[in-house]
Amino acid sequence: KQEVTQIPAALSVPEGENLVLNCSFTDSAIYNLQWFRQDPGKGLTSLLLIQSSQREQTSGRLNASLDKSSGRSTLYIAASQPGDSATYLCAVFTGTASKLTFGTGTRLQVTL
Amino acid sequence: DGGITQSPKYLFRKEGQNVTLSCEQNLNHDAMYWYRQDPGQGLRLIYYSQIVNDFQKGDIAEGYSVSREKKESFPLTVTSAQKNPTAFYLCASSIGGEDTGELFFGEGSRLTVL
Repeated sequence: KQEVTQIPAALSVPEGENLVLNCSFTDSAIYNLQWFRQDPGKGLTSLLLIQSSQREQTSGRLNASLDKSSGRSTLYIAASQPGDSATYLCAVFTGTASKLTFGTGTRLQVTL
Repeated sequence: DGGITQSPKYLFRKEGQNVTLSCEQNLNHDAMYWYRQDPGQGLRLIYYSQIVNDFQKGDIAEGYSVSREKKESFPLTVTSAQKNPTAFYLCASSIGGEDTGELFFGEGSRLTVL
């Protein structure tokens, strides 16, 4: 059974810092990994999708990497801003189970 | 604008009542999903559908029912058999196929049982 863990559960940083969010998964037989952002009381917004054959994806100040063999992904946020404050979730699609498994998220607060 | 619309945003239900949550998408996606989100837990899959007139149970299907009569629509009914229905419900869609592709979500519906 696929399990997805995100560490830390919560993080507070001052504006301007570069930061890394971690996601680990137990079954490396994945098709893809997706990072989402969720604001309080809202739905999820897709940030980056990494296919299993890819090592990383970039969008603006965000960069996500994938190391399938070690079961890890990181989301790097450069020059953080207060508007980045949200919960960040990762999810993996596992071929053997044909389903998406979500982590519990990292709640990020960027302070002025 | 293409997207996923969920309604209602907030819903209150008395015990013993069935309620239906609406999910409509105009992205021309084949696959649609319903997830439940509870505080401190990851999203859990209730039901999913890869094609019209076909759907499969997810991890927590008991007490829920769905239909997929049209490609654009995937309503979820929370029945009185669901023991703890108070939660945030999220609908999603994707192109579908073997590896799902990128998942897009609606804004969610918050159900509270009085």
